[in-house]
Amino acid sequence: NAGVMQNPRHLVRRRGQEARLRCSPMKGHSHVYWYRQLPEEGLKFMVYLQKENIIDESGMPKERFSAEFPKEGPSILRIQQVVRGDSAAYFCASSPRGQGNLNYGYTFGSGTRLTVV
Amino acid sequence: AQSVTQLDSQVPVFEEAPVELRCNYSSSVSVYLFWYVQYPNQGLQLLLKYLSGSTLVESINGFEAEFNKSQTSFHLRKPSVHISDTAEYFCAVSRSGGTSYGKLTFGQGTILTVHP
Repeated sequence: NAGVMQNPRHLVRRRGQEARLRCSPMKGHSHVYWYRQLPEEGLKFMVYLQKENIIDESGMPKERFSAEFPKEGPSILRIQQVVRGDSAAYFCASSPRGQGNLNYGYTFGSGTRLTVV
Repeated sequence: AQSVTQLDSQVPVFEEAPVELRCNYSSSVSVYLFWYVQYPNQGLQLLLKYLSGSTLVESINGFEAEFNKSQTSFHLRKPSVHISDTAEYFCAVSRSGGTSYGKLTFGQGTILTVHP
């Protein structure tokens, strides 16, 4: 049973390009969370999604960032027109259920390290 | 809203020495508490968690943490560290009960470096 798979592991983009980060949750997990880790900082919550629904996007920057979790396929975090300040590690986590999920586990992927040059 | 403060950004220790990584939190509601470990260029791994019951929780690799509600702390301890414990450690909280869905608030992290 594979864990949470994130790809690519490393992504380099020039300023103004688009970045697409993918997250495949663990088998049987229908809840996905995205976190961002800026240099020298802890992880910050960005968005929580269930299949085809955004539940909480209170941590997402207002512009250029979007996330989806379609019925089929991985969750995608999309950053348009990247800037140097977007350089960070982006982590995805999944869990088997929402409410009360912490009793059942919450598994992180290995992250995508985005570098904007 | 919750907040987490890890009081030490870096903790250097010698192998086989004891260590304590400090974590304090602030919350107006009941919380669950966690410690995660991150090895270089890897994702976060859950080290231990407090959900309810005994305030002292232990991990399989010798770490333990004690939930102290009056001091709003959840310090991580190990009586004797190994070189392999070198990593960054994150304390995190999540509100408990109600419509909780596992949104975690993390501290800034503590880099533990174990020297031979």
